[in-house]
Amino acid sequence: DGGITQSPKYLFRKEGQNVTLSCEQNLNHDAMYWYRQDPGQGLRLIYYSQIVNDFQKGDIAEGYSVSREKKESFPLTVTSAQKNPTAFYLCASSIVRTGLMNTEAFFGQGTRLTVV
Amino acid sequence: AQTVTQSQPEMSVQEAETVTLSCTYDTSESDYYLFWYKQPPSRQMILVIRQEAYKQQNATENRFSVNFQKAAKSFSLKISDSQLGDAAMYFCALGWGGSEKLVFGKGTKLTVNP
Repeated sequence: DGGITQSPKYLFRKEGQNVTLSCEQNLNHDAMYWYRQDPGQGLRLIYYSQIVNDFQKGDIAEGYSVSREKKESFPLTVTSAQKNPTAFYLCASSIVRTGLMNTEAFFGQGTRLTVV
Repeated sequence: AQTVTQSQPEMSVQEAETVTLSCTYDTSESDYYLFWYKQPPSRQMILVIRQEAYKQQNATENRFSVNFQKAAKSFSLKISDSQLGDAAMYFCALGWGGSEKLVFGKGTKLTVNP
């Protein structure tokens, strides 16, 4: 079955440590995204990538880094510079829109990161 | 800048009744599209319905329909014959031409009472 797989589902990190969240998709989508979800805040865009080896900052990129070495994979690293990393992280993918064709974002099941 | 506002943090409805969730947005783009996503307790985001701005006809998907008022920049979701499985967070989202990003509202928590 095609879809997006995020791992792990739950992640605990000590303060000062970097941690990497995995996101893999087999939908052959060009675009991939990372969103952060906090209670009462909706989803906020961290980083996104439309093609391999290229990515752009979203609205809240500080303290995060990404890579896009393969079309299928878009890992997110939460660095020690992120002051408040405890949150729910969602990865998504979509086809790159051409013309008026609509694009739908498909989401993974998320990773809950807790700093202890 | 693109913004999406959901003014109802929580809503409740009786099973089998109808409920409408509100969403307003702001964009200077002429080519844009709108979505409603559902996030049940499992936290998996599921697309409910979508609307392209250039289409005048309101989108419908089974029990879900939208009221798209372009001039007023309003995009409400109507759920008919509400079911217990409809209980979830509902997010309104805006995308626009030339960008694959989506901007989300803060969500509305829908409770369905038996």
